[in-house]
Amino acid sequence: AQSVTQLGSHVSVSEGALVLLRCNYSSSVPPYLFWYVQYPNQGLQLLLKYTTGATLVKGINGFEAEFKKSETSFHLTKPSAHMSDAAEYFCAVRPNSGNTPLVFGKGTRLSVIA
Amino acid sequence: KAGVTQTPRYLIKTRGQQVTLSCSPISGHRSVSWYQQTPGQGLQFLFEYFSETQRNKGNFPGRFSGRQFSNSRSEMNVSTLELGDSALYLCASSPGTSGLTDTQYFGPGTRLTVL
Repeated sequence: AQSVTQLGSHVSVSEGALVLLRCNYSSSVPPYLFWYVQYPNQGLQLLLKYTTGATLVKGINGFEAEFKKSETSFHLTKPSAHMSDAAEYFCAVRPNSGNTPLVFGKGTRLSVIA
Repeated sequence: KAGVTQTPRYLIKTRGQQVTLSCSPISGHRSVSWYQQTPGQGLQFLFEYFSETQRNKGNFPGRFSGRQFSNSRSEMNVSTLELGDSALYLCASSPGTSGLTDTQYFGPGTRLTVL
């Protein structure tokens, strides 16, 4: 079965610093990969997704993620953190065949310090 | 386009009661999925409906059920509520046209508290 590991339940960065949120998946076949963000009292919003093609994926709000098959990783980055980036971030995977649903990681809470 | 709407936003029930949550997908979307979010278990998939048919089901007891109507609106029902059912219930809709790569659009959720 697919599984997703997000390293670090809480990450704290200074405003203007690099944001790096880690995501590793377990699968013998590269799945489809997604990053979602959840602001307090709201649902999830898609930041970006990787299906096929270019392994560096650009998303909204300046975020990007790189699919690395050899490392089974899909880490999320942003060059310069903004206060408004404080939220919970979820990595999710979906096998690229069959009809299995999205599997989410446990989430990483990002705090941005002024 | 209006986003995914869920009603009610907040709900308080007591053990043993039943509850029905409603979800209206984005206009034109035919697939609706439901998730349970708790601090301990994170986001767990409940079920997915497409064109009024349950297409997928997560690992939840039979007390959890759902349905989808011809206008794609969906409801989920939890009978004989337990304290552990307290959670944020999220609904997500997707067009249903791109299969596994479809983007899911989430509603704000219904916060259920069971006393």
